[in-house]
Amino acid sequence: QKEVEQDPGPLSVPEGAIVSLNCTYSNSAFQYFMWYRQYSRKGPELLMYTYSSGNKEDGRFTAQVDKSSKYISLFIRDSQPSDSATYLCAMRYVTDKLIFGTGTRLQVFP
Amino acid sequence: DGGITQSPKYLFRKEGQNVTLSCEQNLNHDAMYWYRQDPGQGLRLIYYSQIVNDFQKGDIAEGYSVSREKKESFPLTVTSAQKNPTAFYLCASSMSSGGADTGELFFGEGSRLTVL
Repeated sequence: QKEVEQDPGPLSVPEGAIVSLNCTYSNSAFQYFMWYRQYSRKGPELLMYTYSSGNKEDGRFTAQVDKSSKYISLFIRDSQPSDSATYLCAMRYVTDKLIFGTGTRLQVFP
Repeated sequence: DGGITQSPKYLFRKEGQNVTLSCEQNLNHDAMYWYRQDPGQGLRLIYYSQIVNDFQKGDIAEGYSVSREKKESFPLTVTSAQKNPTAFYLCASSMSSGGADTGELFFGEGSRLTVL
């Protein structure tokens, strides 16, 4: 079993839809949770970061961590065609390297 | 502008040849990383370095080599021993490799290597 599991998609939604992207993990020691966005043929860039449990909101994006279920989510409200990208979850415990999910490809069509 | 520069963006190699991918950063970051990205497999860590003249193997180091002679530079050599080298290679850096900061990685734009 992989430490971090992520549905690869692709996920195709119409413009304006609410998108939910999810990852599950097996290591209860993970403390830092991140979402990276990667456009085609580019390097990933950090989108959201959460420490431990709870929600964090930034504009149209909300990151949620449920440590009891070992589950993290990224919600995108009012999705736009410019949100079309691959979204990678990543997590780590205090003293170690990031572990990445496989990425979910999202397509938002006009 | 501060960032990470990878070169070349695209590279073709014949089987049996070694090839070196360049990675330079001007963010004054201590830690640097090389990842390989294949469809459906996410990012897999090849090598990382926390300080100059020191580096550690990641999860898939076989067939690769690195050096860290300067803080700004972390080149990756894909050797002929790497059985399946065609992939997208990403270099990244962070302020440190762990600890209480987020450990946020800053990525370059990647190098796509194709073996003919």
